[in-house]
Amino acid sequence: QKEVEQDPGPLSVPEGAIVSLNCTYSNSAFQYFMWYRQYSRKGPELLMYTYSSGNKEDGRFTAQVDKSSKYISLFIRDSQPSDSATYLCAMSAMGGGSNYKLTFGKGTLLTVNP
Amino acid sequence: EPEVTQTPSHQVTQMGQEVILRCVPISNHLYFYWYRQILGQKVEFLVSFYNNEISEKSEIFDDQFSVERPDGSNFTLKIRSTKLEDSAMYFCASSPTGSLKNIQYFGAGTRLSVL
Repeated sequence: QKEVEQDPGPLSVPEGAIVSLNCTYSNSAFQYFMWYRQYSRKGPELLMYTYSSGNKEDGRFTAQVDKSSKYISLFIRDSQPSDSATYLCAMSAMGGGSNYKLTFGKGTLLTVNP
Repeated sequence: EPEVTQTPSHQVTQMGQEVILRCVPISNHLYFYWYRQILGQKVEFLVSFYNNEISEKSEIFDDQFSVERPDGSNFTLKIRSTKLEDSAMYFCASSPTGSLKNIQYFGAGTRLSVL
């Protein structure tokens, strides 16, 4: 079983739709959960992060973590064409010593059509 | 807004040549990382660096790779003898201290093409 699994899509939605992006993971040591947005041939841009379980909201974006199911989600409300990008989930453990490496999903390619 | 800066944006090299990829992390960050992304694949961890030493490295980070913080602002990745399979996007990341040290900010990347 892969450490982090993410449906690569592609996912195509009309403008204004609610988008749901998901990842599952197998490593129970993961405590920090991040969502990054990546445009083609660019670096990952941090969208949101969550520590442990629960929900976090930031504008049109909501991140959810269910550690009991090892499942995380990112919801985008009122999606816009500018949201079109690849969305990467990433996770890390608490870190022993000085290590906080991220383990990434493969990314979901999202297109929001005007 | 502070950002991680990487140079060059694109590096073309011949197989067997040495390359140095450069990064300027966010100024008050103390944890530094290199990742790579082969076209169409996941972003993969290479190495983490803290307090002037490597704290962890992946299986990919073999003897051909090295990292250095030559001064107070730069963080470099050196590949001694490049192979075709080293062609990828290389991302530098940094994170702050304290409760946010797990939160990493990435640069725009260097695209390395090995011919």
